[in-house]
Amino acid sequence: SAVISQKPSRDICQRGTSLTIQCQVDSQVTMMFWYRQQPGQSLTLIATANQGSEATYESGFVIDKFPISRPNLTFSTLTVSNMSPEDSSIYLCSVLTGADNEQFFGPGTRLTVL
Amino acid sequence: GQSLEQPSEVTAVEGAIVQINCTYQTSGFYGLSWYQQHDGGAPTFLSYNALDGLEETGRFSSFLSRSDSYGYLLLQELQMKDSASYFCAVIRSWGKLQFGAGTQVVVTP
Repeated sequence: SAVISQKPSRDICQRGTSLTIQCQVDSQVTMMFWYRQQPGQSLTLIATANQGSEATYESGFVIDKFPISRPNLTFSTLTVSNMSPEDSSIYLCSVLTGADNEQFFGPGTRLTVL
Repeated sequence: GQSLEQPSEVTAVEGAIVQINCTYQTSGFYGLSWYQQHDGGAPTFLSYNALDGLEETGRFSSFLSRSDSYGYLLLQELQMKDSASYFCAVIRSWGKLQFGAGTQVVVTP
């Protein structure tokens, strides 16, 4: 299993600004993922973050908008850049464990952009 | 294209059995998982099927038919605490998850 924390838990931001979300895991993991969940919707994968390599982004998501860092095996950050109200969402990080392809999710960061 | 379909909502009484179906169309299929999410909470893992057949974990069971691109989650002996959203998710390469739209399960007394 894995215990994941995220900071901040929520924030209200002005359009045009940027917010960096932190994800901390209590054990070393290879695969970390960032998802977005808009209110009442499903989860959509933004990118995969592996330590020591560039993040890989899913269709519709680009590095300039969502730069990701993965400096070590327990930590990652996602930045939401030049925000607009359409970026209002819950952002979740997750880690993959070896058993049954189970992913553990962080509690999420609820972002509101005005 | 890639897609998953599941019902939007299911309502049942306590003690009943509920089946949530999931059909998928995707490339690079490595298995089907199910996640539960309560309002305001994070998704939590329920089950995983890589091969055809039934997997049972307590009150929850999950089934997969790869030839039919179909799976289901079976919730037995429903309890009020089972009221939540349930997502099927296809596992793609490198453990990436592609989620369905989710099924809201409402349990009534």
